Amino acid sequence: AQSVAQPEDQVNVAEGNPLTVKCTYSVSGNPYLFWYVQYPNRGLQFLLKYITGDNLVKGSYGFEAEFNKSQTSFHLKKPSALVSDSALYFCAVRDLNTGGFKTIFGAGTRLFVKA
Amino acid sequence: KAGVTQTPRYLIKTRGQQVTLSCSPISGHRSVSWYQQTPGQGLQFLFEYFSETQRNKGNFPGRFSGRQFSNSRSEMNVSTLELGDSALYLCASSLEVGSSNGYTFGSGTRLTVV
Repeated sequence: AQSVAQPEDQVNVAEGNPLTVKCTYSVSGNPYLFWYVQYPNRGLQFLLKYITGDNLVKGSYGFEAEFNKSQTSFHLKKPSALVSDSALYFCAVRDLNTGGFKTIFGAGTRLFVKA
Repeated sequence: KAGVTQTPRYLIKTRGQQVTLSCSPISGHRSVSWYQQTPGQGLQFLFEYFSETQRNKGNFPGRFSGRQFSNSRSEMNVSTLELGDSALYLCASSLEVGSSNGYTFGSGTRLTVV
C-alpha cells in the first residue's frame, strides 16, 4: 500500500535562511510526487510535481524539490525563506502501479518563518 | 478561468442529520476527488469520480457517499451525522484519473456537527 510520511510536525526557520521540509514515501511502483501549500481557511494550492526526468524540480514561489529514488524521499526546499512562506505544507504521492491511481497525502508540516 | 467552487462554505448540523455538499470543478476537468481534513488525521481520501462513475474509494463507512453528474459537478452526502464528522471537506478537480497534473482544490466546506 502506498504511504507518505512527513516526519516533522513543525519547522522553524529565520527569514532569509534556507528551508527544508522533509517527505518520504512508499509505493509499489513508480510514483507521481507533489507538494501543496495551505493557508488558513483555504484549500490546498499546488506547488510542484515530479513525474520523471530531472531529480530537481522547480515550482511556484521559488520552491524546489529533490527526488531521491534510493532514499524514497522528495524534500521541499527554498534557498531563502520569507515570512509569507509560513503555512501548512503537504507532500502527496500517486502510485501508478495500483489500480485507481488515488493520491495520498502526508500529515502535513507547519512552517514558521520568523522575521 | 473559474476555480473549483464548493458550496456551502460553512455548515452546522445536528448529530443524526444528513448533509449534502456540492463541488463544481474547473471547466474541462472530469475527475473530482473528495478529502476530509481534520487536525488529528490530516487529509483522508474519501472517493474519486470520473465520468459519473466512482473510480476510487477510501476507508470510510457507508454513511459517506457521493455522485457525479454529466456536467462533472459532484456531490457528497453524509447520513446519520456523528460528532466526529466535523471537519473541512475538500474537493479537488483534475483532468482525468491518474493525471500527471496536480489537483486544483476548492476552498472547502467546513462542517460542524453539534
